[in-house]
Parts: sequence; structure tokens; C-alpha cells
Amino acid sequence: DQQVKQNSPSLSVQEGRISILNCDYTNSMFDYFLWYKKYPAEGPTFLISISSIKDKNEDGRFTVFLNKSAKHLSLHIVPSQPGDSAVYFCAASLVNSGGSNYKLTFGKGTLLTVNP
Amino acid sequence: DTEVTQTPKHLVMGMTNKKSLKCEQHMGHRAMYWYKQKAKKPPELMFVYSYEKLSINESVPSRFSPECPNSSLLNLHLHALQPEDSALYLCASSQETGAGGWGGTDTQYFGPGTRLTVL
Repeated sequence: DQQVKQNSPSLSVQEGRISILNCDYTNSMFDYFLWYKKYPAEGPTFLISISSIKDKNEDGRFTVFLNKSAKHLSLHIVPSQPGDSAVYFCAASLVNSGGSNYKLTFGKGTLLTVNP
Repeated sequence: DTEVTQTPKHLVMGMTNKKSLKCEQHMGHRAMYWYKQKAKKPPELMFVYSYEKLSINESVPSRFSPECPNSSLLNLHLHALQPEDSALYLCASSQETGAGGWGGTDTQYFGPGTRLTVL
């Protein structure tokens, strides 16, 4: 059973426009969410995160929105640039009563293509 | 600085070879991870070390043997691998927020990976 879902395998947008990447989760215990960007044959690069006590976090061109009641988060990139073309993974972690979260549950990723 | 380094970048090995993958971080992180990633798939967790002790082994076959010599280094020893073990092997590290309370802020930072091909 896939606990983190990215239902769009790919997305294509024009340079300068907004890119919106979506992610849904099923486990209501998840309380920390991250977005990673990945180029082929490279490791994932951390982009932005949000905790369950917030509904929005912004960092430059990247904004993540969290809707806990809908178990949905989205990543907005404005304005989109050709260098943003990559696979974007949504990941979630679960509060561990012992303290630290170890396991990241990843979605399958969305390939974003930003056309010049 | 959020850099995790991995060597080698590429590795080709036969099924009877013994080789090791290395990972290093100097961010003072106390949790380190090994992941395996196949093409067009998300990373799959293999092992977690916390304070140099193995915390999680995700039922990984014994032909993969992790080692954490100190808080900055993580190795993955490989022996008698199969062609289906060919993948991108990723190392990651995180702060390790410690016991007690809400620990939901351990961002994991990934290295560039080692592309392993088993012939």
C-alpha cells in the first residue's frame, strides 16, 4: 500500500509560469513533509520542508502548502526556470515516540519539464 | 554546508568480487543512512545508523554489510552481489534531534550516489 502518492508522473510548463506539483498521503500520523529534487544519476537535493503545525512554508521561488484535512501537499515554483527540470520527490516522515524520525516514505516522483 | 560525499562515483564488479562504498559527512550529523534507488523508482531505505550504532536494517540480504567506523564515516561492504543489485546507492545523513518530544525535523541530506553495476 502506497502511503505517499504523486499521481502525476510528469508535468510540463512554460518558463516563467507557475509549476504546481502535488502529493497525497494516507497516513494521518505523518507530521513532517519534504520535497527533494533529483537529476538523473545524482542524489536527491533537499528543497523545502513543512511540519504539520504549519500550512505554508516559503523559500525563495519555492512554496509548500499543506492541507492536513485533505492529506494533501503541493509544491509551487514561481517563476519556473529551465534549470528546474528534474524529478521531484515528495517524502513524509512519522513521529517516533523515541524522538527522531528515521524513515522517509517517498512518493514515486514527478518529472517536471520547464520549456524555454 | 550540507555536503555528503560518496566514493566511488561509479563501480563495476563481478559477482565474486568484494568491494566497499564509502560515505562521509562533516556536518556533525549523528544519523547516517544507506538507500538503494533503481531507475524511475523512489529511494528505498536499507540501513540506518544512529550515534554509530545500527538502528534499522530493512531486511537487507547479508551480501550487503554496513559499517560505521566513526560519526563522520559510513561504509557499505559488498560481497557476492547479483546483477539485480545494480542500482544507484545513496548515502544520507541527518541531525538526529534526539529522544523525547516532537522529533519531526530531521531533514535528510543525500550524497551524489554511487552507480553500481554487477556483471
